[in-house]
Amino acid sequence: KAGVTQTPRYLIKTRGQQVTLSCSPISGHRSVSWYQQTPGQGLQFLFEYFSETQRNKGNFPGRFSGRQFSNSRSEMNVSTLELGDSALYLCASSLAREGYTFGSGTRLTVV
Amino acid sequence: GESVGLHLPTLSVQEGDNSIINCAYSNSASDYFIWYKQESGKGPQFIIDIRSNMDKRQGQRVTVLLNKTVKHLSLQIAATQPGDSAVYFCAENRNNAGNMLTFGGGTRLMVKP
Repeated sequence: KAGVTQTPRYLIKTRGQQVTLSCSPISGHRSVSWYQQTPGQGLQFLFEYFSETQRNKGNFPGRFSGRQFSNSRSEMNVSTLELGDSALYLCASSLAREGYTFGSGTRLTVV
Repeated sequence: GESVGLHLPTLSVQEGDNSIINCAYSNSASDYFIWYKQESGKGPQFIIDIRSNMDKRQGQRVTVLLNKTVKHLSLQIAATQPGDSAVYFCAENRNNAGNMLTFGGGTRLMVKP
């Protein structure tokens, strides 16, 4: 059974650019959540999608957005990148209110 | 604000000893708790979970204890091995929050051979 797949694994972008990260959940999982992990702030919730609808949203600026497709794959986008957006972005999928499985993350570096 | 926190940022134990990692939570509406292990360069790996209608749950070499009275969660690892060295996070989920997890700050477990 394939796990949660995140692409790309590493990314380097310049300030002001935008970036799109992808997450393929475990087959059958309809909920996809995104988290930002930094040494200073730890793991922080970005948003959750369920059946193509955003169900929850964390306290991040509007530059952070996401979407989910009919096959449950999800993407998140960060526009107008800032140095502080450098982080490990993690995606988790779940079948219900349990069984959250994380991917290996995308390491984003903004220079 | 509401948060899940950890008492000890670093825990060093001898191989073969038992480890106990603690976590405090402040949201009484939380009804589902998870412990994750994160190794360098990897995403968090599920260890064990517990619902608020339970006080204790056991897995393979791990036990989670939940004390709702004092809003405290602990992870016990029996016969700690070098492969257990990692950062451990507790996370909580409120029953009306969909699949949004609130994480603690993490505890680094170092196992000395």
